[in-house]
Amino acid sequence: DADVTQTPRNRITKTGKRIMLECSQTKGHDRMYWYRQDPGLGLRLIYYSFDVKDINKGEISDGYSVSRQAQAKFSLSLESAIPNQTALYFCATSHSGSETQYFGPGTRLLVL
Amino acid sequence: GEDVEQSLFLSVREGDSSVINCTYTDSSSTYLYWYKQEPGAGLQLLTYIFSNMDMKQDQRLTVLLNKKDKHLSLRIADTQTGDSAIYFCAETLSGNTPLVFGKGTRLSVIA
Repeated sequence: DADVTQTPRNRITKTGKRIMLECSQTKGHDRMYWYRQDPGLGLRLIYYSFDVKDINKGEISDGYSVSRQAQAKFSLSLESAIPNQTALYFCATSHSGSETQYFGPGTRLLVL
Repeated sequence: GEDVEQSLFLSVREGDSSVINCTYTDSSSTYLYWYKQEPGAGLQLLTYIFSNMDMKQDQRLTVLLNKKDKHLSLRIADTQTGDSAIYFCAETLSGNTPLVFGKGTRLSVIA
């Protein structure tokens, strides 16, 4: 969905490096989410935010942090990347009162 | 607790019907969703059903919900090669809890 964009689309980094993945949306939604996808494990929720001042941990938040800079922007940081954080990362948005989520195209991250 | 289960793989012949099944454990679920992920792409909402419904049809897609057995299915009629994708089932309890996704069913359509 072009209304939800993620940058970069692909990233290769080394163990120990700090990296940031960014998500922007033009849908006017108040809620934003970060997931990671691994083969055979489906989607797992990392963090979510229901509003600019609201941040909540998901199922697998260890090793990650987030920042909700504005209603339209939600970034995910890996403070010190490790190889098992190699995955496909998705951002999603939704509007309060409707939990239908709309996904970005994903960021493929490889940690060497 | 919430848990959504799906089989991982399904293979069908082009033109046949596909049925993808999902079970969930929380009887309080309000909405249940089907998302489709094509290769190299994000998840796209296919359809959803409210918990007070037992069936929803949208062109080639039919969603059946059996609340007693906590079973959700997605039927794709006249399956085409373009239907090859991963299909995710998801549930939500309320407007204040994020979606819980199954692991996804990879549908392969054989020409």
